Amino acid sequence: AQKITQTQPGMFVQEKEAVTLDCTYDTSDQSYGLFWYKQPSSGEMIFLIYQGSYDEQNATEGRYSLNFQKARKSANLVISASQLGDSAMYFCAMTPYSSASKIIFGSGTRLSIRP
Amino acid sequence: GAGVSQSPSNKVTEKGKDVELRCDPISGHTALYWYRQSLGQGLEFLIYFQGNSAPDKSGLPSDRFSAERTGGSVSTLTIQRTQQEDSAVYLCASSLGWRGQGQETQYFGPGTRLLVL
Repeated sequence: AQKITQTQPGMFVQEKEAVTLDCTYDTSDQSYGLFWYKQPSSGEMIFLIYQGSYDEQNATEGRYSLNFQKARKSANLVISASQLGDSAMYFCAMTPYSSASKIIFGSGTRLSIRP
Repeated sequence: GAGVSQSPSNKVTEKGKDVELRCDPISGHTALYWYRQSLGQGLEFLIYFQGNSAPDKSGLPSDRFSAERTGGSVSTLTIQRTQQEDSAVYLCASSLGWRGQGQETQYFGPGTRLLVL
């Protein structure tokens, strides 16, 4: 079965602290892509970061980095120096390359940043 | 460049009426996707287009739902005889349509919030 698991339904973090959002995945595909999206209260899904299954280095985009541990099938998102604007729902997602259309989303983690 | 656009941003309709939702993908993106998101829930896949063809319609919940794409660009999602359970946010996304090196990354539009009274 192909599945994304996000075990943290909600998190509270103090402003300026770093935060790690957990994501584990399950797939039999050897090739796949991993993504994180942010969904603020406005509802739009904002692409944050991508990691390919064959990428040896962890992806980084500004304050976002993806801690990719292939053997453990984990793809945690790390946000450094959190800001109030980071408060949102965060979704981990995966595209198994055996399917042209499929993208599998996790259930999401609601992150709240305290001032 | 311009992102994915959707219209209308909000739609209120009466039960039994038909509605059309429009999606304009990023220029050059051959793949287009429709999703539905109910309040507080995750994304539900509806349909995928590659060019003007829809090789995966597996997520359409009933025959009241249909979608088309013309000219490899704009797509329209039509819901006939709307029901109250159709109330949700309908999200459209597009991608380059290839797999690998991030080219499969889906970029989402702002969504259409549909309320069926």
